[in-house]
Amino acid sequence: DIQMTQSPSSLSASVGDRVTISCRSSQRISSYLNWYQQKPGKAPKLLMFAASSPLSGVPSRFRGSGSGTDFSLTISSLQAEDFATYYCQQSHSVPLTFGGGTKVEIK
Amino acid sequence: QVQLQESGPGLLKPSQTLSLTCTVSGGSIRSDDNYWSWIRQSAGKGLEWIGRIHPSGSATYNPSLKNRVSTSVDTSNNQFSLRVSSVTAADTGVYYCARERITVAGHEFFQNWGQGTLVIVSA
Repeated sequence: DIQMTQSPSSLSASVGDRVTISCRSSQRISSYLNWYQQKPGKAPKLLMFAASSPLSGVPSRFRGSGSGTDFSLTISSLQAEDFATYYCQQSHSVPLTFGGGTKVEIK
Repeated sequence: QVQLQESGPGLLKPSQTLSLTCTVSGGSIRSDDNYWSWIRQSAGKGLEWIGRIHPSGSATYNPSLKNRVSTSVDTSNNQFSLRVSSVTAADTGVYYCARERITVAGHEFFQNWGQGTLVIVSA
């Protein structure tokens, strides 16, 4: 199985801050990497697919990058509605696997 | 907009079989650029992919569930289903059904999710 490791597991930030979340895969996965946002009590919501392609309607402050084994999700200017947990997920091979999540909290 | 809704019992005893159904609306389950997937979330294991089924009937499962899982698709009712046999407390969690979209370039991602249903396994 491909292991997905996210860092940090949590972070505190203020509105307006630039935030970067990292995701590393245990094998090379090209750009087969997706990002999801999850708020408490809700299902995850797709933000980014193919490492850097935002789903239609995702605010431009979200940017995904990376290829191979190292990926990142950057929020250029954190907004109140962005406080949530973020997960990466590889779609390179089954079993599909998720990172452990990064919880973005209000400072 | 495709919407999904899980249904099924929320409380099971150990050794019973978990059965969930996902009803799809706003799109056809027959569309061959999708897989229909099951994912669960527990405090101990985070998000775990359980398995998926293509409208053709071809299914793939997570080996971690050790042959306890099966899925099926009912095109006449636009539904797909999950069965997990011999459940234990470790199967407790929120179960999501999801539409896994397949792009022309071969990328796959969970574009639409159900709201999730809590399943508790307890004696």
